[in-house]
Amino acid sequence: DQQVKQNSPSLSVQEGRISILNCDYTNSMFDYFLWYKKYPAEGPTFLISISSIKDKNEDGRFTVFLNKSAKHLSLHIVPSQPGDSAVYFCAASANTGNQFYFGTGTSLTVIP
Amino acid sequence: DAGVTQSPTHLIKTRGQQVTLRCSPISGHKSVSWYQQVLGQGPQFIFQYYEKEERGRGNFPDRFSARQFPNYSSELNVNALLLGDSALYLCASSFYSKAYNEQFFGPGTRLTVL
Repeated sequence: DQQVKQNSPSLSVQEGRISILNCDYTNSMFDYFLWYKKYPAEGPTFLISISSIKDKNEDGRFTVFLNKSAKHLSLHIVPSQPGDSAVYFCAASANTGNQFYFGTGTSLTVIP
Repeated sequence: DAGVTQSPTHLIKTRGQQVTLRCSPISGHKSVSWYQQVLGQGPQFIFQYYEKEERGRGNFPDRFSARQFPNYSSELNVNALLLGDSALYLCASSFYSKAYNEQFFGPGTRLTVL
């Protein structure tokens, strides 16, 4: 039962343009969401998070948007850089729990 | 400061064998979580330990067990290995047990079961 879904396995974007990565969830109890970036042979690295009391959180080139009614969040990277090429995982958790549920990941390639 | 460390980096076992994976959390972190990442999938939660007590368990069979030591390091044990246990096993540490805390991941142990 996949509670967090990333329906785009891959995405290619030109350097300097915007990258938009999408994530959907099914569990209405989820109230904290994170994005992780993963390079080959490394563990996931925390990128940005958002709690359900917000609908937007920015950190430099990275912005996460949360649409609770649609159970959808997205990560915007502007401008995209070649070093952003990695697999991006969306993760969610509930206040009552202590585990994260991960999506299947989106492989982003930024073309120079 | 050192990040989360895991050992070994790679491991090859045969079906039916047993394996022990090790994790050292970031200094000061009391919570350790274990995840299994099968190729093409996202990490799946196996266990969380906080202050040496099991605080959460994912949907994995009893062949999987873990423990946390007084220094907060942790071991994950898998008995009677199956081909389907081949995966990247990730350890993550955080200061608190609740999932609101950012988890810091180690590089993982790549287990191959032949």
